Amino acid sequence: QSVLTQPPSASGTPGQGVTMSCSGSSANIGTYSVSWYQQLPGTAPKLLIYSNNQRPSGVPDRFSGSKSGTSASLAISGLQSEDEAYYSCAAWDDSLNGPVFGGGTKLTVL
Amino acid sequence: QVQLQESDPGLVKPSETLSLTCTVSGGSIGTYYWSWIRQPPGKGLEWIGHIYYSGSTHYNPSHKSRVTMSVDTSKNLFSLHLRSVTAADTALYFCARQILGAKHDVWGQGTMVTVSS
Repeated sequence: QSVLTQPPSASGTPGQGVTMSCSGSSANIGTYSVSWYQQLPGTAPKLLIYSNNQRPSGVPDRFSGSKSGTSASLAISGLQSEDEAYYSCAAWDDSLNGPVFGGGTKLTVL
Repeated sequence: QVQLQESDPGLVKPSETLSLTCTVSGGSIGTYYWSWIRQPPGKGLEWIGHIYYSGSTHYNPSHKSRVTMSVDTSKNLFSLHLRSVTAADTALYFCARQILGAKHDVWGQGTMVTVSS
């Protein structure tokens, strides 16, 4: 049972946009910034978004993040087939005194 | 650029100790926190703990009684030891560089550890 809650699945067609949610509490998202990771099965996560809405160098601006209260969202515009992956959110947590993750959302590009 | 590579213990027997090493190349292990994170099959990521280059550590309370982390700056590597493993410790184990909070910007490729007799 992950500390941060994400829907298990999302889908969209090429060219469309999709938004994924991540819900937490005042102990994590409500207080600290959120990171998002993209992961293909059996491979390492790739940092996609940090500090709620910042993209590391090399991440396309089709990916954007936002945060409001104890929830965060990842939006992907102009879906491409290579975007099909798992997306996980993460935030620091006061109870753990460490980072906590969501269970991940599997994005299917139809 | 910095790259991380985990060792590959493969199969570990129940009640034994799981030992992993993460070698840092392309940069220094200094001035950063280094995390161990695992992912059981079909489940989400779980932070096990981290170690600073100076050797100070912080562990996930869920595993604190069984975990020890160490760092060897001369060899640019850090290690994880997880004692008394059970089938529940079967997972894909990653090492990663922790920049700030939940931001891990460099990850190893991961190593699958199976606990089975």
